[in-house]
Amino acid sequence: DTEVTQTPKHLVMGMTNKKSLKCEQHMGHRAMYWYKQKAKKPPELMFVYSYEKLSINESVPSRFSPECPNSSLLNLHLHALQPEDSALYLCASSPKGTSGYEQYFGPGTRLTVT
Amino acid sequence: EDQVTQSPEALRLQEGESSSLNCSYTVSGLRGLFWYRQDPGKGPEFLFTLYSAGEEKEKERLKATLTKKESFLHITAPKPEDSATYLCAVQGSNNDMRFGAGTRLTVKP
Repeated sequence: DTEVTQTPKHLVMGMTNKKSLKCEQHMGHRAMYWYKQKAKKPPELMFVYSYEKLSINESVPSRFSPECPNSSLLNLHLHALQPEDSALYLCASSPKGTSGYEQYFGPGTRLTVT
Repeated sequence: EDQVTQSPEALRLQEGESSSLNCSYTVSGLRGLFWYRQDPGKGPEFLFTLYSAGEEKEKERLKATLTKKESFLHITAPKPEDSATYLCAVQGSNNDMRFGAGTRLTVKP
């Protein structure tokens, strides 16, 4: 299995809602990432988990809350988002940690905040 | 701060017309330079990792090369299915993965 899966594929939420994005990989990778990508822009790193511990948090607003329940799962909890948070949210994983390894991306969750 | 600049922003080729994409970078302590391909509305797909100047890697019609300041992605005899955005990313000693803005490639039949 060489796949990173993400659910849901699409999500529409109001500014007062609470929702979660889910990411799963079964490749035995030990690092997992959340990225945000706006249209025609490159992915921007949000969070990095290495061996299930948060190792990088790129000054992301607290309305985004990551969680890594185990080495295969990564969640992103969303609360009180703003319309400018609408974007494609990408999950990725890499083998053996974060240094010098390629990342494998999921298909993304298209988030629209109304 | 690590920086990655890709050129050109967009490239239109005829099928079979070979060309190169450029990725210029500045990074403290290069841990790796990565090339990805991204189709619209999908996640990036890993192509190559390069670690040191002089290194080259090939896959089908694609060949990636690396110097101390830049990397090239050479596309030989491209086909319409090679149309995509090609992203370059660098990882430095801080372990952050920083992406360039990408080159949007269109190959016309």
